[in-house]
Amino acid sequence: DAKTTQPTSMDCAEGRAANLPCNHSTISGNEYVYWYRQIHSQGPQYIIHGLKNNETNEMASLIITEDRKSSTLILPHATLRDTAVYYCIVRVVPNTGNQFYFGTGTSLTVIP
Amino acid sequence: GAVVSQHPSWVICKSGTSVKIECRSLDFQATTMFWYRQFPKQSLMLMATSNEGSKATYEQGVEKDKFLINHASLTLSTLTVTSAHPEDSSFYICSAGQDTQYFGPGTRLTVL
Repeated sequence: DAKTTQPTSMDCAEGRAANLPCNHSTISGNEYVYWYRQIHSQGPQYIIHGLKNNETNEMASLIITEDRKSSTLILPHATLRDTAVYYCIVRVVPNTGNQFYFGTGTSLTVIP
Repeated sequence: GAVVSQHPSWVICKSGTSVKIECRSLDFQATTMFWYRQFPKQSLMLMATSNEGSKATYEQGVEKDKFLINHASLTLSTLTVTSAHPEDSSFYICSAGQDTQYFGPGTRLTVL
């Protein structure tokens, strides 16, 4: 699976949109982009995933560039409860191995 | 999304004892589950792949005789930390699912 690069930390004002970037310049055609987040002392929580089209669900939006070398997770109206470490992972789907390899992630702090 | 549970959520034990951690998929069957370990302020590190009906597959550097994995049924995997030592104190997390992995809430192990 391709590697990802994310900023170590970011701040966002409460109520504003949080835009978390991820670089995956070596992504291959059959690799999806997954986003998870981990609130302190909890297991990672699935947020969203996509292949090449932009995706939106009740939690967030995922914007993938046309060349698929980078993506942005958007939390439209950040709240204090969105403070967490956000992980961007790329992996082949279907994946007989299924395991996820986590990078260092981005620590997002939502400021009141 | 699918639900994965872990038990116990935290455990404290004396050095030299063994500790068993359970991981259950509550609303789906999982032929494969994954075990991760996370040290403070670090990312998740994959330890092993638990396979129902066959031996677990361990990541490089993980001692299979120390971290015993049993996948007794399609909804239950157990991780036993044998002869635990203080350096085994960590946050242990399991996951299960198909292409999208769902994570348990984690088990905090403290070895005195």
